[in-house]
Order: sequence, then C-alpha cells, then structure tokens
Amino acid sequence: EPEVTQTPSHQVTQMGQEVILRCVPISNHLYFYWYRQILGQKVEFLVSFYNNEISEKSEIFDDQFSVERPDGSNFTLKIRSTKLEDSAMYFCASSGLLGNTIYFGEGSWLTVV
Amino acid sequence: QKEVEQDPGPLSVPEGAIVSLNCTYSNSAFQYFMWYRQYSRKGPELLMYTYSSGNKEDGRFTAQVDKSSKYISLFIRDSQPSDSATYLCAPDTGRRALTFGSGTRLQVQP
Repeated sequence: EPEVTQTPSHQVTQMGQEVILRCVPISNHLYFYWYRQILGQKVEFLVSFYNNEISEKSEIFDDQFSVERPDGSNFTLKIRSTKLEDSAMYFCASSGLLGNTIYFGEGSWLTVV
Repeated sequence: QKEVEQDPGPLSVPEGAIVSLNCTYSNSAFQYFMWYRQYSRKGPELLMYTYSSGNKEDGRFTAQVDKSSKYISLFIRDSQPSDSATYLCAPDTGRRALTFGSGTRLQVQP
C-alpha cells in the first residue's frame, strides 16, 4: 500500500539553527501538506501546496517557515531559525486531485534545545 | 467559536464494550465529516468519511450524524485493545486543510 514517508524520524537541534524536514508523498498525489502537533495538543494545519505553490497557510506558518518541492518526489519543510516552541511532531500528508482523503506520514519529531 | 470540539478523555472501557465517541461542530453548512484514528506517536489515518445524514457502517465502526444538534458520533462495537488510540473528528469544510478536533483518547482494557 502506498504511503507517505518522512525523514528524519527524530531530530534534535539547537535554538536558532535551521532545520529541514523531508517527505516523499504518495506518488500520484498532487496536494501536499504539513501539519504540526505539539506534545499533548491537537494536530494543527500549517500549509498546503499545489502546482508548485502554497495554496493555503495558517497563522502558524510565518516567515520562519518555507516549503519546497525541489524535485519530482520530495516535499520539504524548512524552519529557518528554530525556537524552543517549535518542538513538535511534524506530519507531512498528501492527497489526490479528487476527494479530500488526506494520507499522513509517520511524523518527524523535532526537539529544539 | 471552535469549528469542532471533542471531549479529550481519556475514555477507559473493558474489552468487548460498545464505545461512543462524540464531536460537536459549529457550522451548520458542513455536509461531510471524517473520523481519523491516531495511534500514539503516529500520523492520523482516515477511519470513516460520512455524509451529514443517517448512519454509515464499516465493520465494527458506525458513524452517525445528527445535523439538527450538530453532533457527530462514532460507535465501536466489540472494542479491542488494538482500538486504543486517539480519535479525531474533522468536518469537510470544502477547503483542503483539515481542522481537527482535539481528539478523544480511548483506552480499551484487556
């Protein structure tokens, strides 16, 4: 069964450092997403991406965040200057052109120290 | 007002019990709803996708929508320890972005 894969599964970084989280969405999907879940809190939408541009973003997705699809298979989330409050599980997700079933990856756990 | 609200739980039941998980929503325009299941430290996975009328059944799971009271329920029959997870509801708002409830944590005791 096709799945969304994410790397790394866990990353520890120092405050102020840049982090790139990587994702390989399901191959025939056209919509890509990043969500975030702070420990003990709800899963929150960050950004959606379609046709090589951001289609929607939340208030959380400020200037320190950026997304990119550098090639035909990867989708990345960059956090430019990490803060302690960026510590969370980051989920990549993808969906097809039709319908709204979103498939999530296993997550990348980011710890900022 | 939040788009969707859930009791966070935890809800603890013995194996074999019937479980009722509930969710309220604020916008009467919502027509479709989704239930996702999230195991600890894993990504959410779609469990059921339902329209805002009547019941939808899938194996041991039944989703029910009461549009008049803006209330969504997920029933699990013959609950198993493997059903222990957090259950998230999300309305289909017509946007691609999903807005999840806070989720209800379910623990099924063997």
